Amino acid sequence: AQSVTQPDIHITVSEGASLELRCNYSYGATPYLFWYVQSPGQGLQLLLKYFSGDTLVQGIKGFEAEFKRSQSSFNLRKPSVHWSDAAEYFCAVGAPWQGGKLIFGQGTELSVKP
Amino acid sequence: GAGVSQSPRYKVAKRGQDVALRCDPISGHVSLFWYQQALGQGPEFLTYFQNEAQLDKSGLPSDRFFAERPEGSVSTLKIQRTQQEDSAVYLCASSGQGTSPGYTFGSGTRLTVV
Repeated sequence: AQSVTQPDIHITVSEGASLELRCNYSYGATPYLFWYVQSPGQGLQLLLKYFSGDTLVQGIKGFEAEFKRSQSSFNLRKPSVHWSDAAEYFCAVGAPWQGGKLIFGQGTELSVKP
Repeated sequence: GAGVSQSPRYKVAKRGQDVALRCDPISGHVSLFWYQQALGQGPEFLTYFQNEAQLDKSGLPSDRFFAERPEGSVSTLKIQRTQQEDSAVYLCASSGQGTSPGYTFGSGTRLTVV
């Protein structure tokens, strides 16, 4: 079955510290991979996406993610977290042969300590 | 428009009442998606349109849920005889590249059934 797992429900980091949010997926083939961020009461904003090619992708707001096929993972990283990064982060997978439908993980809530 | 617009932002319905949620996609976007996001969960796919054609409605939870996009632009998600378990945020997204995933989300409609 197709699924996305975000093992960490909630993470707290200090401002200025580095961040890594984990994402593992189960899919019949290598899907397209995405990270979205959601602030309270807001919709989802695309941070970055991986379709093919270079396995390290850069996104907005200083985020990057690395696709590791052998581990079926697509972890999100940021070298130095800002207080404004506090939000809910969702990993998602999809494929054009699935009609563009995305499967989302449960989300990781990020809190930032001053 | 500049983004995906959803209305109303908030809706409180009494159990058994019918509701209609509106999505106005980005102008020219051919693909439109509806997702349901329960509290503390990731979004779950409901249905997908390409222009006016509903190509996938496999995620609609029951026959009380109905979606339409008669002119290939604005879409309406209708829920008949609402139940408490229908309480959720309903997200709409649109994409301008056929079935290419990684689309733009609206801010959602929060439905509360009392």
